[in-house]
Amino acid sequence: DVKVTQSSRYLVKRTGEKVFLECVQDMDHENMFWYRQDPGLGLRLIYFSYDVKMKEKGDIPEGYSVSREKKERFSLILESASTNQTSMYLCASSYPGTGGETQYFGPGTRLLVL
Amino acid sequence: QKEVEQDPGPLSVPEGAIVSLNCTYSNSAFQYFMWYRQYSRKGPELLMYTYSSGNKEDGRFTAQVDKSSKYISLFIRDSQPSDSATYLCAMSGQGAQKLVFGQGTRLTINP
Repeated sequence: DVKVTQSSRYLVKRTGEKVFLECVQDMDHENMFWYRQDPGLGLRLIYFSYDVKMKEKGDIPEGYSVSREKKERFSLILESASTNQTSMYLCASSYPGTGGETQYFGPGTRLLVL
Repeated sequence: QKEVEQDPGPLSVPEGAIVSLNCTYSNSAFQYFMWYRQYSRKGPELLMYTYSSGNKEDGRFTAQVDKSSKYISLFIRDSQPSDSATYLCAMSGQGAQKLVFGQGTRLTINP
């Protein structure tokens, strides 16, 4: 079974702090994704990566950056956390292909920024 | 207008009822259609996957795609309390590595 793990289930941070969210997958997937999920807004793509050291902006990249130094690991960075970044953050991975590839999700990190 | 529209609910039905969940979309290039189930405080997990138009059945679940109407459905027969979750539709086009998700419908099955 594909396993996607996220470093923390719950995090509480202060405004202005630098926050790192880590995601690791164990199935040698090339593609990795970071989403945030908010009530009434659904899943919104922040960034995705289709290879090591490669990244592309999603729909809401402002205030976030990412790092992918190893194939299995994809990090989301909040350079200076703000209260409007309080959310559920979900990481996912998939094989590259012709389209419609199933994405496998981690359990999510609930981030509260005070 | 959003590319994918899904009624967020909440939807509450008695145990044993037939449940119908739906999404509409605007992009005619979409060819791959999925339903994910997300239990509270968990990540989404793939429930059903359909390519192009038609029906697909898996146990109590049936996924239906009508590309001419740009409309997809998920039917749950003999619904159980364990089916209580948020259901998200997702879709993509040929060659696309990203999925476009609906907002999710929160479903509660009452014993």
